[in-house]
Amino acid sequence: NAGVTQTPKFQVLKTGQSMTLQCAQDMNHEYMSWYRQDPGMGLRLIHYSVGAGITDQGEVPNGYNVSRSTTEDFPLRLLSAAPSQTSVYFCASSRDRYQPQHFGDGTRLSIL
Amino acid sequence: AQSVTQPDIHITVSEGASLELRCNYSYGATPYLFWYVQSPGQGLQLLLKYFSGDTLVQGIKGFEAEFKRSQSSFNLRKPSVHWSDAAEYFCAVAPPNDYKLSFGAGTTVTVRA
Repeated sequence: NAGVTQTPKFQVLKTGQSMTLQCAQDMNHEYMSWYRQDPGMGLRLIHYSVGAGITDQGEVPNGYNVSRSTTEDFPLRLLSAAPSQTSVYFCASSRDRYQPQHFGDGTRLSIL
Repeated sequence: AQSVTQPDIHITVSEGASLELRCNYSYGATPYLFWYVQSPGQGLQLLLKYFSGDTLVQGIKGFEAEFKRSQSSFNLRKPSVHWSDAAEYFCAVAPPNDYKLSFGAGTTVTVRA
């Protein structure tokens, strides 16, 4: 049982480049989320999805796009990377709104 | 909007000693409450959760937390820490019937021999 899988684990980008962070879960969870973790700020919600075809914004959505075409996958897109987006990104999933979220191991992203 | 405060940025505790991590939240109604632990380079693992009912909640790895409505607190405790408990701990809240989690800034725990 793989749980929540994030790829890649590390990435370095140049300012202005685009990139997609991948997230897949094999637990048939309806709810999926993307967070970014910055020192001293905990985790902040970027976007989330309550099912295939349904997405919504979280606390810090600017500069990020998401889509949810399948239950399993929830990719996060950076269209034009900025140094302020240097962070560790976590994907999480849960069966429904009443269940705790399961987290992936994270993607460490550096933007030069 | 809800907010979560973890007043202690860093705590150092001796192995075998007790540990208490503080968490205060600001929200109109009683939210869902969670504690997560993050080991270096890893994702977050759920320690315990509170939705309703008994205000003393038992979790994994010997941790427990107590919900105190009057103080808007959800403090995490462990009677005797092990070196493997060195990690960063996050308190999180979600409004009832809502999915959006708000996290505290985290408390880093160092365990000395």
